[in-house]
Formats: sequence, structure tokens, C-alpha cells
Amino acid sequence: QQQVKQSPQSLIVQKGGISIINCAYENTAFDYFPWYQQFPGKGPALLIAIRPDVSEKKEGRFTISFNKSAKQFSLHIMDSQPGDSATYFCAASMRSGNTGKLIFGQGTTLQVKP
Amino acid sequence: KAGVTQTPRYLIKTRGQQVTLSCSPISGHRSVSWYQQTPGQGLQFLFEYFSETQRNKGNFPGRFSGRQFSNSRSEMNVSTLELGDSALYLCASSLVPGAYNEQFFGPGTRLTVL
Repeated sequence: QQQVKQSPQSLIVQKGGISIINCAYENTAFDYFPWYQQFPGKGPALLIAIRPDVSEKKEGRFTISFNKSAKQFSLHIMDSQPGDSATYFCAASMRSGNTGKLIFGQGTTLQVKP
Repeated sequence: KAGVTQTPRYLIKTRGQQVTLSCSPISGHRSVSWYQQTPGQGLQFLFEYFSETQRNKGNFPGRFSGRQFSNSRSEMNVSTLELGDSALYLCASSLVPGAYNEQFFGPGTRLTVL
């Protein structure tokens, strides 16, 4: 019940295209769903996050769509750029439990071709 | 504002040895979490500390331990190293545990066990 399943494992997109990464969870106690971006040799960096009382959140070219009933959420990267090439992790947390513990998905390696 | 600092950045040890990794959180951050990142298992939660107290522990053997000091700096120790302990160990800091504040990751310590 603590798992977060992420797909696809890898993704190749042309410059200007839309990148879509999906995640699913089981534990309905999760109340915070962040996405992290990680470049080689760096630690993960928070990209965008959403709470379950919101169905969509947009920040620039990055949008999270959240479906509470299906227990799924996804990251959309619009107008994908070569600089977006990185590994993306979805995660879930029970912030109402006063913990910052993050349960991560397995990661998606995104390659944006020029 | 300086980010999360982890030392050393790279470490090579042999089986059976022990190792201590250090993490200095962002100034003012009082919560520190540790994660292990491997290609096979992805990012897995190790521990969470706040006010020198371990608040949460992941599913790792007792060989993995940690502590937090009064200045919020944290160390983790792995005793009797095994080949499978080779990984990137990441530290993340936040103002307090829980809530919806961002966790900032350090660059990690790359541990290789020979």
C-alpha cells in the first residue's frame, strides 16, 4: 500500500512535443504529491507539487493532473526542450502525519531530441 | 543562501568496513531526511530527524543508523558494509517535518563498496 507506481520507465520526445509521465498510488492517506527532476550528478529538485483537493496545477510548461477517485496523477511537460532531458520522479507523502517521508516512483528518464 | 551540503561526495570502502556520511541542512531548516538511491530500487527512505530525534525509519537493517545534532546537522552510519550498500546517499532538509514545505536535496554521497 506504500508503493507509488510510475510509467513509462523511459520516454523520448521531439523538441516542442508534450511529455507525459503517469503515477498511481494505493494509500488514500497520501495528501501531498510532488514531482522531482534530477540531472546526472545532482540531487532531485522539486519541480511542482499538488494536494488532493486540487485536480490540476500548472507552473509554466509543467502541469500536474490529479484524479483522486482513480488514485492517479500525471506530469505534463508542454513544449518539451532538450534542457528538460533528465530523470523525473513522482512521489507521495502523508504530510498530515507530520512527516516529510517521501515514497518515490521508480523514475522516468526523459530524452528530448532537438 | 547555501544549499544542503553533503560530505564526502565520493567514498570507496571495502566489505566489512563502516562508513559515516555527513549532511549540513540549509540554514534554519530543522528537519533532515536520508534516502538511498540505487538503479534497481530507486529512491528509498532511510530516516527522518527533527530536533535531534528520529521521527521515522525506513525498512533498512540495523546496520544503518543516524543521528542529528543540536545545530541540525546530521550523520548517517553504515556498519559492516556489504556490496549491496553501494549507492548514492541523499540528504534532504526542510523547515519542519510534515506541513507542505519543500524539501531540498543535497548532491549526495556516492558510496562504492568493493
